[in-house]
Amino acid sequence: AQSVTQLGSHVSVSEGALVLLRCNYSSSVPPYLFWYVQYPNQGLQLLLKYTSAATLVKGINGFEAEFKKSETSFHLTKPSAHMSDAAEYFCAVTLGGGDKIIFGKGTRLHILP
Amino acid sequence: NAGVTQTPKFRILKIGQSMTLQCAQDMNHNYMYWYRQDPGMGLKLIYYSVGAGITDKGEVPNGYNVSRSTTEDFPLRLELAAPSQTSVYFCASQGLYQETQYFGPGTRLLVL
Repeated sequence: AQSVTQLGSHVSVSEGALVLLRCNYSSSVPPYLFWYVQYPNQGLQLLLKYTSAATLVKGINGFEAEFKKSETSFHLTKPSAHMSDAAEYFCAVTLGGGDKIIFGKGTRLHILP
Repeated sequence: NAGVTQTPKFRILKIGQSMTLQCAQDMNHNYMYWYRQDPGMGLKLIYYSVGAGITDKGEVPNGYNVSRSTTEDFPLRLELAAPSQTSVYFCASQGLYQETQYFGPGTRLLVL
């Protein structure tokens, strides 16, 4: 069965600094991978997804993630953090074809002024 | 398109009361899901449906029931509310042959 592990339940970065949120997955077959973002008191919103095309995936708000099969990782990055990036971020995995999506436990990103 | 809508946004229940959380989507999606979100625990799947008339249990179904009489609606029923059901509940939908789930804004439930 597939799973995802997010390293760090809380991450703090200074405004303007690099954002790096870590996600490792486990899957017996090539998976689909997602990053969702949840702003306070809102539902989850898709940030980006990997569906076996390009390994470097660009998403909304300047975020991107790179699929690394050798490391079973799908880390989320953004070159320069903004205050508006403060939110909770979820990594997720599925095999597609209607298979259930498995979510990580989330990483709360704090932006320091 | 309104996307996925959920009502109510917030509700307080007394122990033993029952209620139905409503979820509707207007994207003609086949798949619909109910999750609960507890602090630091991510999302846990309660029930899901692959189409009208078909539902199945997820990871944490105890204390809940669902029905799917139409493609659009997927209500979640709590029969005897317990404090352990205090949580934020999210409904999501997904189209056939699509990988992305679309989420509603959530229902915050407090059981006292």
